[in-house]
Amino acid sequence: DIQMTQSPSSLSASVGDRVTITCRASQAVKTHLAWFQQKPDKAPKSLIYDASSLQSGIPSRFSGSGSGTDFTLTISSLQPEDFATYYCQQYNSYPPTFGQGTKVEMK
Amino acid sequence: EVQLLESGGGLVQPGGSLRLSCAASGLTFNNYAMSWVRQAPGKGLEWVSDISGSGDRTNYADSVKGRFTISRDNSKNTLFLQMNSLTAEDTAVYYCTKSPRINGYLCHDNWGQGTLVTVSS
Repeated sequence: DIQMTQSPSSLSASVGDRVTITCRASQAVKTHLAWFQQKPDKAPKSLIYDASSLQSGIPSRFSGSGSGTDFTLTISSLQPEDFATYYCQQYNSYPPTFGQGTKVEMK
Repeated sequence: EVQLLESGGGLVQPGGSLRLSCAASGLTFNNYAMSWVRQAPGKGLEWVSDISGSGDRTNYADSVKGRFTISRDNSKNTLFLQMNSLTAEDTAVYYCTKSPRINGYLCHDNWGQGTLVTVSS
C-alpha cells in the first residue's frame, strides 16, 4: 500500500495568514491526489482533485500543487471558516490511501 | 444538487451483521461509481470499498474483504454495504461518496453525512 504522510500534523495560524500543508507519498502517484477538509462532527468536503483542480464551489484561496511524491495544499489567506482538519488522498493505485490529517487551529 | 443520505447504522454485537444504505438524489446515479469511506472515532479516513456505475466491478480494502459486500440498485438510486462478521475494529462513521472517474481514476466529490456503526457487546 502507498503510505501518505502529511506535515505538519497540526499548526496554529491567524486569520489572513498564508497556510501550507505538505503531503508526501511513499511512491509516485502522478497527479492522482485529492485534498479534503473536515470540520468537527461533519462529513469531509472535497476541495481539490488531480493535485491542482478545484472542486466546484471551492474558493480560489485554496490551491494545490505537486506531482509524483510531493504535494502541497495552500490557503492563501486563512478565513475563520477554514479552521478544520485537512486530509490528502492518493487514488493512483488500490487501495486508495489517506494521509493522517493536518489540524489547522486558531493561534 | 447532489444529496447522499446514509442509513442503517446502529449498535451491533461482535460477530453480527448490518446493512447500510445510501440514497442518492440529484444525479444520474448509474453514471457514477460510488464508494464507502469510514472513520473510526477520533481517527482518520479509511477507504472501504467502491463499485462501478453498472455494478459489475467492485474493490475492497483488505481489512473488510470477505466480510463486506458492496452493491447498488440503480432502479432505486441506492448504494448498499452488507457488513458481516463485525468486530470492534469496524466501529466507525461510514460515509458514502459519489466517485466520478477522472482520466480513468476514481476520486470522491460529494459525501453523505455519515452513519455510525458501533460494534460492542
